[in-house]
Amino acid sequence: GAGVSQTPSNKVTEKGKYVELRCDPISGHTALYWYRQSLGQGPEFLIYFQGTGAADDSGLPNDRFFAVRPEGSVSTLKIQRTERGDSAVYLCASSPSSAGELFFGEGSRLTVL
Amino acid sequence: AQSVTQPDIHITVSEGASLELRCNYSYGATPYLFWYVQSPGQGLQLLLKYFSGDTLVQGIKGFEAEFKRSQSSFNLRKPSVHWSDAAEYFCAAHMNYGGSQGNLIFGKGTKLSVKP
Repeated sequence: GAGVSQTPSNKVTEKGKYVELRCDPISGHTALYWYRQSLGQGPEFLIYFQGTGAADDSGLPNDRFFAVRPEGSVSTLKIQRTERGDSAVYLCASSPSSAGELFFGEGSRLTVL
Repeated sequence: AQSVTQPDIHITVSEGASLELRCNYSYGATPYLFWYVQSPGQGLQLLLKYFSGDTLVQGIKGFEAEFKRSQSSFNLRKPSVHWSDAAEYFCAAHMNYGGSQGNLIFGKGTKLSVKP
């Protein structure tokens, strides 16, 4: 498809485990964003990539969260030692470099038991 | 600090009635402004956006929004609501730093319910 693709759509894990969430942006989009959305809340910014580099990672809550985008396309959000409070929908979005419009995927729902 | 405020958590309107959802922003300069809609289990879909120019912008699904600099507002409107408009609506903003955009900040959302 032509949209932003996120996998898995659902992930259930146990407290303390490691989790990876993948985002495949729209082809040609240089900017990629990760957001986290808790129940009843708006999306909360985590990190933004321009190309391969993280242009702004100020939203990552702590050092258990890390994201990479090694070839400037697909990105992986990595969460170590998951906690119950990490349960949320993790949204990925991509954007042409200067158009200002973000195109969102349907999200990966993470549940930490 | 930069912020986006949506004062109404939940609004209920009758089908066919008009709708206005409020949004206020707090930024040092005029940001780029957006409205997104999220239906249950769906991703965020862009309704409309304001970058500059005409302060009344038209979007998809019959929505429009008006930018008012003096009030730091960007309210979303629709003249006649349809049952399918029931969803959660998010206002968002980001700064443009000479072509390099900052991160997009969202409000907490307004849930719209539509009565038959």
